[in-house]
Amino acid sequence: QKEVEQNSGPLSVPEGAIASLNCTYSDRGSQSFFWYRQYSGKSPELIMFIYSNGDKEDGRFTAQLNKASQYVSLLIRDSQPSDSATYLCAVDTGKLIFGQGTTLQVKP
Amino acid sequence: GAVVSQHPSRVICKSGTSVKIECRSLDFQATTMFWYRQFPKKSLMLMATSNEGSKATYEQGVEKDKFLINHASLTLSTLTVTSAHPEDSSFYICSARVGAGDEQYFGPGTRLTVT
Repeated sequence: QKEVEQNSGPLSVPEGAIASLNCTYSDRGSQSFFWYRQYSGKSPELIMFIYSNGDKEDGRFTAQLNKASQYVSLLIRDSQPSDSATYLCAVDTGKLIFGQGTTLQVKP
Repeated sequence: GAVVSQHPSRVICKSGTSVKIECRSLDFQATTMFWYRQFPKKSLMLMATSNEGSKATYEQGVEKDKFLINHASLTLSTLTVTSAHPEDSSFYICSARVGAGDEQYFGPGTRLTVT
């Protein structure tokens, strides 16, 4: 079992819709969870981090963490074509372990 | 926000030669720097963790004699790919953090092509 798993997609949503990205992890002791966005040919940029169970909102983005079920999700409201990118889930186990990323396509 | 730079951004080298990539934290002191490699359409794979003044810790399957890492100061880490081969062609990305549990800041990456 991979340490951090994501559906590679692509996930296609129409402009204005909600995009839902999911991630599961295997290390129950993990405390810190991150979502990065990566455009083709560029390095990752941090979107959100979450440490506590529940929801954390920042603008159009909401991160959700459920430690009992070992999953983290990212919701993007009012999706825009500029949100089209690969979204990487990362878990801090003392070092960042990345999932394989989910490619999101937002169609105008 | 904190800035991490990498140099060069792109490099093409011939098979058998060595290439050095620099990673610098520009406005903060980084106790720890990380080196990642990313192949096309794949995720970031951690290669090694580098702490200032000590030997790097390599991930399983990463050859320490091939990928030499030096973290000589709190603002500079270097990765040298020795005797590069075409299969080493990849996107190499560094990140840096102040201390354990702090956010990691990523550099812009270096595209290495070995011909």
